[in-house]
Amino acid sequence: AQKVTQAQTEISVVEKEDVTLDCVYETRDTTYYLFWYKQPPSGELVFLIRRNSFDEQNEISGRYSWNFQKSTSSFNFTITASQVVDSAVYFCALSEANNQGGKLIFGQGTELSVKP
Amino acid sequence: EADIYQTPRYLVIGTGKKITLECSQTMGHDKMYWYQQDPGMELHLIHYSYGVNSTEKGDLSSESTVSRIRTEHFPLTLESARPSHTSQYLCASSEYWSSEGETQYFGPGTRLLVL
Repeated sequence: AQKVTQAQTEISVVEKEDVTLDCVYETRDTTYYLFWYKQPPSGELVFLIRRNSFDEQNEISGRYSWNFQKSTSSFNFTITASQVVDSAVYFCALSEANNQGGKLIFGQGTELSVKP
Repeated sequence: EADIYQTPRYLVIGTGKKITLECSQTMGHDKMYWYQQDPGMELHLIHYSYGVNSTEKGDLSSESTVSRIRTEHFPLTLESARPSHTSQYLCASSEYWSSEGETQYFGPGTRLLVL
């Protein structure tokens, strides 16, 4: 069965601190895709990154970085030098190649609060 | 950059009314989705479509219905709204079998309150 777990419900940091959001997934498929989305207070989901199961190379985009480790089934997201604008709910999601419809399985979300 | 639109953004309506939530995308994506999200909670898929004249139910049972008469349009209808339908509804679309692994792009959502 497929499942995504984000154990951190809420995280609060002070501006300029680094913060890591954890994501652990379960799947039986050998081909799958992992995603991170950001949901600011306005409500829309903003796509941040997609990773396929064959690409374990870590990625950095500005202050954002992602660490994909198949050995521990984790896809963690780090924000360096956090800013108030980073305050949002962040969702990790899984899509299996053999899953009918390409459905996304979402984690419970982690609410990040960055205080000035 | 995704071009997917939802109207209305906010809707307050009385019990028993019929409502239609609109979703349109200008990217020519074949696949479209509707998710339901309660405040602070995860998203649950309620409907999806592979293309024109295709509709499927998602993982979460819903009393709503959808239609896909045009590629760009995927409206969701509640025949008789109830307070239990109060939630946020998010529409998404993706390109079928794209090299991007079907990344879903989301609209801004509709927040529905049924009194």
